Amino acid sequence: GAGVSQSPSNKVTEKGKDVELRCDPISGHTALYWYRQSLGQGLEFLIYFQGNSAPDKSGLPSDRFSAERTGGSVSTLTIQRTQQEDSAVYLCASSLWLAGQETQYFGPGTRLLVL
Amino acid sequence: AQTVTQSQPEMSVQEAETVTLSCTYDTSESDYYLFWYKQPPSRQMILVIRQEAYKQQNATENRFSVNFQKAAKSFSLKISDSQLGDAAMYFCAYGSEYGNKLVFGAGTILRVKS
Repeated sequence: GAGVSQSPSNKVTEKGKDVELRCDPISGHTALYWYRQSLGQGLEFLIYFQGNSAPDKSGLPSDRFSAERTGGSVSTLTIQRTQQEDSAVYLCASSLWLAGQETQYFGPGTRLLVL
Repeated sequence: AQTVTQSQPEMSVQEAETVTLSCTYDTSESDYYLFWYKQPPSRQMILVIRQEAYKQQNATENRFSVNFQKAAKSFSLKISDSQLGDAAMYFCAYGSEYGNKLVFGAGTILRVKS
């Protein structure tokens, strides 16, 4: 079946502009995660959605970052007033949530460049 | 808070030979999950192998196997009969039994020489 998809693949924006990044999880997966990967670094957790529960926003670096998940499926990560330090690859993952830690399946990411 | 450490920024291996990538972690939990992910230049994170901490038997997936030492909090990945397609960044990750975020190490770049 189809994997996790993300759009756009690449995004170039000017400092101060807002951007929206989209994630389509695997059908039937109830959990959705956003991570950020800065150049040459590991992945940094941003936010986690599980079913109808309140999202875990503990990884969001500032109030310029927000995310929503509509209808328990598609998610949008919004970065307002982008800064150059926001340049990174933004990865989305989804998983089932049956019990314990289910395997997370990742999308190809969106590479964001803020000029 | 949990931490994951990959002490080898870069490793090289000759094609058809064996290489081991190191990973250590720190946690106070008794039940958890450990993962190795591969990230080729395409950026797509691919699951290589998964280990449940309550299982004493080391996980294996074809040419990939782990050496899980729970007491030492060590989780190394062994790649046998290395192939050119194995060249990638490899990340070790920790997952809590409560099933939320993964904590990743900084990664190890693996180069495969022909």
